Amino acid sequence: AQTVTQSQPEMSVQEAETVTLSCTYDTSESDYYLFWYKQPPSRQMILVIRQEAYKQQNATENRFSVNFQKAAKSFSLKISDSQLGDAAMYFCAYRSDWGWGGSNYKLTFGKGTLLTVNP
Amino acid sequence: DAGVTQSPTHLIKTRGQQVTLRCSPISGHKSVSWYQQVLGQGPQFIFQYYEKEERGRGNFPDRFSARQFPNYSSELNVNALLLGDSALYLCASSDGTESLYGYTFGSGTRLTVV
Repeated sequence: AQTVTQSQPEMSVQEAETVTLSCTYDTSESDYYLFWYKQPPSRQMILVIRQEAYKQQNATENRFSVNFQKAAKSFSLKISDSQLGDAAMYFCAYRSDWGWGGSNYKLTFGKGTLLTVNP
Repeated sequence: DAGVTQSPTHLIKTRGQQVTLRCSPISGHKSVSWYQQVLGQGPQFIFQYYEKEERGRGNFPDRFSARQFPNYSSELNVNALLLGDSALYLCASSDGTESLYGYTFGSGTRLTVV
């Protein structure tokens, strides 16, 4: 079974600064997807960024980028120019890419990192 | 466009009671998944339904059941509630492109068991 570990329960950053959230995972599969989700106090999970395991190029979405190290099974999220609206719980998640869906396509989440942005 | 809607937003139940949570997916989405998020933890997979059939089940007891209706809405039922069932229950819908665009989640139902 796959596991996802987020070793930083809480992080803080000054507005306009850069912060990196860590995520490691354990899997024996070669093809999979990795996601970062943001959960603000509204509770809705919002997709921030995704990465396919077969792609060596790191994904980037505006101020958000990842550092994907497949051999090390590491998937960190970098937030540049942090904004007050970035404050939320951030979850790293894994999804398999084999089989016929169902449980195979479930998301496995880490425990989350609470990000605080200080003005 | 309406997103994934869940009802109710909050509810309080007593141990031993039964509860039904409801989810309406985004229009056109045929897949619905349910997750349980205990306070301080990441969400855990409970069920996935696609085209009204159960396609996956997580490590949850048989007290948990679900179904999907012809309009693709879904219900999650939990019988014989325990204090440990207190959690945020999230519903996620997909049109099969979740590997590209992720699942779309609702805002959840906060269940408190007393």
